[in-house]
Amino acid sequence: QQQVKQSPQSLIVQKGGISIINCAYENTAFDYFPWYQQFPGKGPALLIAIRPDVSEKKEGRFTISFNKSAKQFSLHIMDSQPGDSATYFCAAKASNFGNEKLTFGTGTRLTIIP
Amino acid sequence: GAGVSQSPSNKVTEKGKDVELRCDPISGHTALYWYRQSLGQGLEFLIYFQGNSAPDKSGLPSDRFSAERTGGSVSTLTIQRTQQEDSAVYLCASSPQLAEQFFGPGTRLTVL
Repeated sequence: QQQVKQSPQSLIVQKGGISIINCAYENTAFDYFPWYQQFPGKGPALLIAIRPDVSEKKEGRFTISFNKSAKQFSLHIMDSQPGDSATYFCAAKASNFGNEKLTFGTGTRLTIIP
Repeated sequence: GAGVSQSPSNKVTEKGKDVELRCDPISGHTALYWYRQSLGQGLEFLIYFQGNSAPDKSGLPSDRFSAERTGGSVSTLTIQRTQQEDSAVYLCASSPQLAEQFFGPGTRLTVL
């Protein structure tokens, strides 16, 4: 059972455009939603994260939008740059009983073209 | 400071052989996680160690997989009698309690 569904699988955006990646979850116990960025040959690195008490969080060019009622959250990359080309994973965690394991989406390969 | 390190970076083995993958977490991090990343898939949780508590082994796919964490620091993931479907990148992460997980670069395992 896939608890976090991510789309699209791949995305091509022109430099300067907006990249949007979407995720949907099923487990209402999830209370922490991070996005990870992964470059080839490297481990994932935390990009930005949100908790369900807010609907939006912005850090520089990266914004998470969160819709609790729809159980959806998305990553927006403004003014996309070639250096943003990477694989992006959404994830979710239910911090009950001290269990910190993350449930990941299947990833989106983002390519920014000049 | 030093991040999470994993060794080896690449491992090629023959079907049926046992393999050991090592993870050195960031010093002082109490929590350590193993995940598996298969081609075209997201990261799949395998096992989680937190301090001196019993590990959460709920993600281990079969009894051929085991892991230990010695002295609350270094961890070893062991796969016995490897199968071709075990081929994947095995990622280790560590974190202070209830905080961001920092990932290592992974070990790419290929089972021939």
